[in-house]
Amino acid sequence: AQTVTQSQPEMSVQEAETVTLSCTYDTSESNYYLFWYKQPPSRQMILVIRQEAYKQQNATENRFSVNFQKAAKSFSLKISDSQLGDTAMYFCAFMKGLSGGYQKVTFGTGTKLQVIP
Amino acid sequence: EADIYQTPRYLVIGTGKKITLECSQTMGHDKMYWYQQDPGMELHLIHYSYGVNSTEKGDLSSESTVSRIRTEHFPLTLESARPSHTSQYLCASHRVEGVTTNEKLFFGSGTQLSVL
Repeated sequence: AQTVTQSQPEMSVQEAETVTLSCTYDTSESNYYLFWYKQPPSRQMILVIRQEAYKQQNATENRFSVNFQKAAKSFSLKISDSQLGDTAMYFCAFMKGLSGGYQKVTFGTGTKLQVIP
Repeated sequence: EADIYQTPRYLVIGTGKKITLECSQTMGHDKMYWYQQDPGMELHLIHYSYGVNSTEKGDLSSESTVSRIRTEHFPLTLESARPSHTSQYLCASHRVEGVTTNEKLFFGSGTQLSVL
């Protein structure tokens, strides 16, 4: 079974600063995907960034980037130039690779990020 | 970008009522999921389906039931709602593109259910 751990229940960052959210996971799979989802107060889940395990290069999406350490099973999210709109709950998620059946997605417990003006 | 719709957005009902939460997607996704989420907490999978006439229970025990008669439609039903069912219910669907991938979940806006 896969587990996803987010050890920071809450974090805060000054506007325009950089913040890193941590995520570790445990799996015996070799083919899988990792995601960061954002859930603002409006409650809509939004995909922030995704990473394929077979890719060594860290994914980036504008101000968002990840530090993917496969051997350490670590998948942290870095938000640069934080904006007030980044205030949200952030969930790290793990999904097994394509196997022809159900791809279960395992979520972490979330990190509540507050961007301070 | 994603076309997955949930209705109603908010629902307040009395104990004992039968309710159906609707979820539809227009992307032709085979795989669909229902998650339950309490405020500020992680998502828990309660039901999933990987195609028409395929439904399975998820990790979290739920008194709800689901059906998948059409690819695009995955409704969740509570036969007799109770206050313990008060929660947010999120529907999601999943795209699989060949063997590489654009694997990701698309989420609906959720239904916030309050049972009095």
